[in-house]
Amino acid sequence: EVQLVQSGAEVKKPGESLKISCEASGYSFNTHWIGWVRQRPGKGLEWMGIFYPGDSDTRYSPSFRGQVTLSADKSINTAYLQWSSLKASDTAMYYCARRVVLTASAYFYDYWGQGTLVTVSS
Amino acid sequence: QSVLTQPPSASGTPGQRVTISCSGSSSNIGSHTVNWYQQLPGAAPKLLIYSNNQWASGVPDRFSGSRSGTSASLAISGLQSEDEADYYCAAWDESLNGLVFGGGTKLTVL
Repeated sequence: EVQLVQSGAEVKKPGESLKISCEASGYSFNTHWIGWVRQRPGKGLEWMGIFYPGDSDTRYSPSFRGQVTLSADKSINTAYLQWSSLKASDTAMYYCARRVVLTASAYFYDYWGQGTLVTVSS
Repeated sequence: QSVLTQPPSASGTPGQRVTISCSGSSSNIGSHTVNWYQQLPGAAPKLLIYSNNQWASGVPDRFSGSRSGTSASLAISGLQSEDEADYYCAAWDESLNGLVFGGGTKLTVL
């Protein structure tokens, strides 16, 4: 059974760093992209970027490039999303999801983590 | 403003058929397939429809998707109270070189 299990809720102060995780199981971690999606309180879904554990290929949304870093540890089938300096505006739920690629123009996210709530407040 | 445009709300009574639209452009819906996600209150998004009209695993055939040109739609027939949720369309955008979501449609079952 495919599962993505995310780390627990975090409460941080502005300027602090943070790394949240997404542990995958039930499939070949190295051969599927992992995507990250932000959802601010009461708002819609925003795509942040994707990471390919097999070769560490990374694509960022223009809105998030330079603001976050995506990475993974293949030895423990875990993907990461990290910030070096959090802002209050980073307060949101963050989801990881497995990307399936059917063709060059057809892909989707079939399994999602339960989400990690990040609260940034002074 | 989202790149893909959805109505903010939709509603229907049990048993009715409801349609949710998703409007885009040639750089997204016009050139890439559309996927639909359902987000129940307090839960993570769940894949409903992929590649415009394919059911994700376990999704009842009351849900159906279609795409025409630069627009797509999700239809829900035989509406049930458990269908009350937020629905999002999504597609890759060539110009932005990223995935774009619609703003979401909140479906209320009256």
